[in-house]
Amino acid sequence: AQSVTQLGSHVSVSEGALVLLRCNYSSSVPPYLFWYVQYPNQGLQLLLKYTSAATLVKGINGFEAEFKKSETSFHLTKPSAHMSDAAEYFCASTGSSASKIIFGSGTRLSIRP
Amino acid sequence: DAGVIQSPRHEVTEMGQEVTLRCKPISGHNSLFWYRQTMMRGLELLIYFNNNVPIDDSGMPEDRFSAKMPNASFSTLKIQPSEPRDSAVYFCASSLVGLVDEQYFGPGTRLTVT
Repeated sequence: AQSVTQLGSHVSVSEGALVLLRCNYSSSVPPYLFWYVQYPNQGLQLLLKYTSAATLVKGINGFEAEFKKSETSFHLTKPSAHMSDAAEYFCASTGSSASKIIFGSGTRLSIRP
Repeated sequence: DAGVIQSPRHEVTEMGQEVTLRCKPISGHNSLFWYRQTMMRGLELLIYFNNNVPIDDSGMPEDRFSAKMPNASFSTLKIQPSEPRDSAVYFCASSLVGLVDEQYFGPGTRLTVT
């Protein structure tokens, strides 16, 4: 069955430090992959999307993610964390047939001053 | 555009009552999605529509849940009768075309069933 695994329900980094949020997917064929961000009491907002055009995907707010087929991973990174990055982050995959979408369980990112 | 509009933002009801959640998607978007978010189960896709037609309702938990999209600018999610375990935040989202496109989420409806 299709699945999306986000390692670490909570990640805490210092302001200015590297942000790394992990996501692994299960699919026999490269799927469509997404990272969404959710701020408190709001809906989700798209950060970036992988559609097979390029393995390194750049998104909004300085975030980027790299698709690695051999590792079935799509980790999200940002070189320097900002206090405004504190939020919940969700990885999602459509699977090979693009007929379903599965969201990971989310990772809450905290930023220490 | 005002984005995806959901109403009400908060709903508190007693067990056994009927609950209707409403959604207005972004104009021009052809796909509409209903999600449920809880601490225990995370974010779950309940149902989605393409061009007002339900495509996949396999996520609807049981027959107490129903969704309609009578036209391109309006959708409802109904729970009848409601139960305490239905308490959650319900999101509506829309996209230009289906699951592979960016989804724009509404602010959600926080439902509490007592």
